[in-house]
Amino acid sequence: DQQVKQNSPSLSVQEGRISILNCDYTNSMFDYFLWYKKYPAEGPTFLISISSIKDKNEDGRFTVFLNKSAKHLSLHIVPSQPGDSAVYFCAASFTGFQKLVFGTGTRLLVSP
Amino acid sequence: DTGVSQDPRHKITKRGQNVTFRCDPISEHNRLYWYRQTLGQGPEFLTYFQNEAQLEKSRLLSDRFSAERPKGSFSTLEIQRTEQGDSAMYLCASSLESRFPNTEAFFGQGTRLTVV
Repeated sequence: DQQVKQNSPSLSVQEGRISILNCDYTNSMFDYFLWYKKYPAEGPTFLISISSIKDKNEDGRFTVFLNKSAKHLSLHIVPSQPGDSAVYFCAASFTGFQKLVFGTGTRLLVSP
Repeated sequence: DTGVSQDPRHKITKRGQNVTFRCDPISEHNRLYWYRQTLGQGPEFLTYFQNEAQLEKSRLLSDRFSAERPKGSFSTLEIQRTEQGDSAMYLCASSLESRFPNTEAFFGQGTRLTVV
């Protein structure tokens, strides 16, 4: 079963606008969530994370929001830049559970 | 040491052959993970080491797969009698055990395996 879901396979945004990538999860034991960015033929690169004790975490242009009651998190990129074009993966884990469970990814295309 | 290093980057092999991949984690990281990614999917967990001990294996890791981390530093992943379904990107990641319950894992660039 797919415990972490990214229902939008792709997203197109214009440069300078906001990109919002969404992720849903089903396992209520998850208490740590991460976003990774992946370029073709490269490994995933860590972007930002959030613990379940928070509902928001910011790092520069990237903000992750967590809605525990809805089992939903989102990544906001403001302003979007063409270099942000990549596949974004949402991942989740819980304390004592060493592996990450990944979603299927969303391909973001930021056009000039 | 600038990150997780994997070798080779690409491997093409004939069905039935054995292949071995190497991963060198970030030097101070004591945790090492192997994941597999196929087209259109996110990475899927295969196995995890803390120092030299292999603490968890996924059911995806059939008997043809074996992983080692002999001295708690680099790791190898061997696939015996490769099948076409083994074609995938094999990703290694490492992280540092800390007093915080969760820390991010850093990934290498992966080894792309093609079985023909």
